[in-house]
Amino acid sequence: GDSVTQMEGPVTLSEEAFLTINCTYTATGYPSLFWYVQYPGEGLQLLLKATKADDKGSNKGFEATYRKETTSFHLEKGSVQVSDSAVYFCALKGNAGGTSYGKLTFGQGTILTVHP
Amino acid sequence: KAGVTQTPRYLIKTRGQQVTLSCSPISGHRSVSWYQQTPGQGLQFLFEYFSETQRNKGNFPGRFSGRQFSNSRSEMNVSTLELGDSALYLCASSLAGVLVQETQYFGPGTRLLVL
Repeated sequence: GDSVTQMEGPVTLSEEAFLTINCTYTATGYPSLFWYVQYPGEGLQLLLKATKADDKGSNKGFEATYRKETTSFHLEKGSVQVSDSAVYFCALKGNAGGTSYGKLTFGQGTILTVHP
Repeated sequence: KAGVTQTPRYLIKTRGQQVTLSCSPISGHRSVSWYQQTPGQGLQFLFEYFSETQRNKGNFPGRFSGRQFSNSRSEMNVSTLELGDSALYLCASSLAGVLVQETQYFGPGTRLLVL
């Protein structure tokens, strides 16, 4: 079945540091890939997505490129801010017919803490 | 456009009781999915409803059930609550839930504590 693996966390950075959160996946066919962010006490917000190989999703300074050859979708940001502190989830939506309907498969989440 | 809403936001129940959670999707969205989030297991897919029919389900016991109404609002029910059911329950909606590129939009969740 589909699976998503995120880098072990948590990640602690100083403000303006470079961020990378690794994400690799296993899926049949051509899934879509997503990054969601969860702030304390809230639900998940879509950060960015990519729907086909070599697509780059970007939003609020965050970027991720869909790499089919390495089955990866790593999240990057050039200069993090304190307000970026949150939990980040990599997810995929497969295209295996009925078993994919309405289903996202998530990684385990990475806690990011940014210090001033 | 209003986002996904979930009620109640917090619940405290005791073992053996049952609970019903409610979710109202974004207007025009007909697919509603439910997820359980726990520190140990992370985010796990419970089930998905479309046009009042359950189309997909995850690997949860039969104590977990749901339904969807003609206005796309959905409820999930957990019967005979166990301590391990304590979790954040998230609802998400999307247009139809079929296309691989569809985005799911999440509600704020209902935090259930079972004592």
